[in-house]
Amino acid sequence: EPEVTQTPSHQVTQMGQEVILRCVPISNHLYFYWYRQILGQKVEFLVSFYNNEISEKSEIFDDQFSVERPDGSNFTLKIRSTKLEDSAMYFCASIQLTDTQYFGPGTRLTVL
Amino acid sequence: GENVEQHPSTLSVQEGDSAVIKCTYSDSASNYFPWYKQELGKRPQLIIDIRSNVGEKKDQRIAVTLNKTAKHFSLHITETQPEDSAVYFCAASIPNTGNQFYFGTGTSLTVIP
Repeated sequence: EPEVTQTPSHQVTQMGQEVILRCVPISNHLYFYWYRQILGQKVEFLVSFYNNEISEKSEIFDDQFSVERPDGSNFTLKIRSTKLEDSAMYFCASIQLTDTQYFGPGTRLTVL
Repeated sequence: GENVEQHPSTLSVQEGDSAVIKCTYSDSASNYFPWYKQELGKRPQLIIDIRSNVGEKKDQRIAVTLNKTAKHFSLHITETQPEDSAVYFCAASIPNTGNQFYFGTGTSLTVIP
């Protein structure tokens, strides 16, 4: 069964540095998402992406965040200048058209 | 936007007993309600879902019920086993808004052998 993949599994960075988290959604899926989960808390929506543009974003997704689909397969989340509070698990998800979202294994981001 | 509340936050049951987790949502336009199971350090995995045109759905030991009038839905796990121990998240989705999920705060279920 096809799965969403994410790299790296763990990223450690210094505060103020830029990070890029990578996702490969399931190939025939059309909607892509990034979610964040701070340790011990619920999964929070960051942004949805459809037809090569952002369709929705939450208040968490401020100017330091950006997303891109640079080619036909990758979907990236960039954090321009990381803060301590950006430390979390970041999940990518995708759906074909509606309903069931399939989550990737996550990238654990640690900002020191 | 949508607000999803989930209770309880922790739940311990004896192996073989049933577990019930409840969620409420605020936006009557929500029409899709998935439940995810998340084991420690792993991705959320869909275990069951229900759409607003259905009141109940069952898959072996797992069932979900939906009350649209009251805007609440529940997960029922019967004959619990130790491998059911995990964090369970409910979610709601509103159509035509990018289909993002609004998650509940999670329930940590422990099944005691």
